[in-house]
Amino acid sequence: EVQLVESGGVVVQPGGSLRLSCAASGFTFDDYTMHWVRQAPGKGLEWVSLISWDGGSTYYADSVKGRFTISRDNSKNSLYLQMNSLRTEDTALYYCAKDGRLSYWGQGTLVTVSS
Amino acid sequence: DIVMTQTPLSLSVTPGQPASISCKSSQSLLHSDGKTYLYWYLQKPGQSPQLLIYEVSSRFSGVPDRFSGSGSGTDFTLKISRVEAEDVGVYYCMQGIHLRTFGQGTKVEIK
Repeated sequence: EVQLVESGGVVVQPGGSLRLSCAASGFTFDDYTMHWVRQAPGKGLEWVSLISWDGGSTYYADSVKGRFTISRDNSKNSLYLQMNSLRTEDTALYYCAKDGRLSYWGQGTLVTVSS
Repeated sequence: DIVMTQTPLSLSVTPGQPASISCKSSQSLLHSDGKTYLYWYLQKPGQSPQLLIYEVSSRFSGVPDRFSGSGSGTDFTLKISRVEAEDVGVYYCMQGIHLRTFGQGTKVEIK
């Protein structure tokens, strides 16, 4: 059974940093592209970033480019999102999702940026 | 950037009746590999999104056959042949030809 478990979401002040993690199990992690998607409270889905199976290619939404960094450790079956220079508009539930189709999603981890 | 536009934004349906959601993209989603990268998701209340349809019309594992997808190029439709109470939630289309972009979502409720 595919499982994705996000962690690391907390309350952080504007300008702060945070690293989210996503622990994957139930599939061969290093065979697949992985994504981060976020959802602000009461709003729709916003794609954030993707990383290729080997970490060699990364892509970002314009809204986070230059501030967020996606990475993965295939030896630990883990996906990460380093978030710097956080803004109030980054407040959201952050999901990790598996493969190009985003076929499986975790339950999300809540990031709140507030002073 | 590719913009995805869904209509309607909300839908109230009697159980057992059909429902249809439209999704239009600002650019063609037909790739040179011959596939069209359009997906549909359902986010049930309090849950994470779940994949329903991939590449326009292929149902994902475990998805009931009352859900169907159609379309080509820039115009796509998700149809539910007979809506059930468990189908309530917000439906999103997503393009996958250039990075990823979601539509605004369509909220489906039961009358």
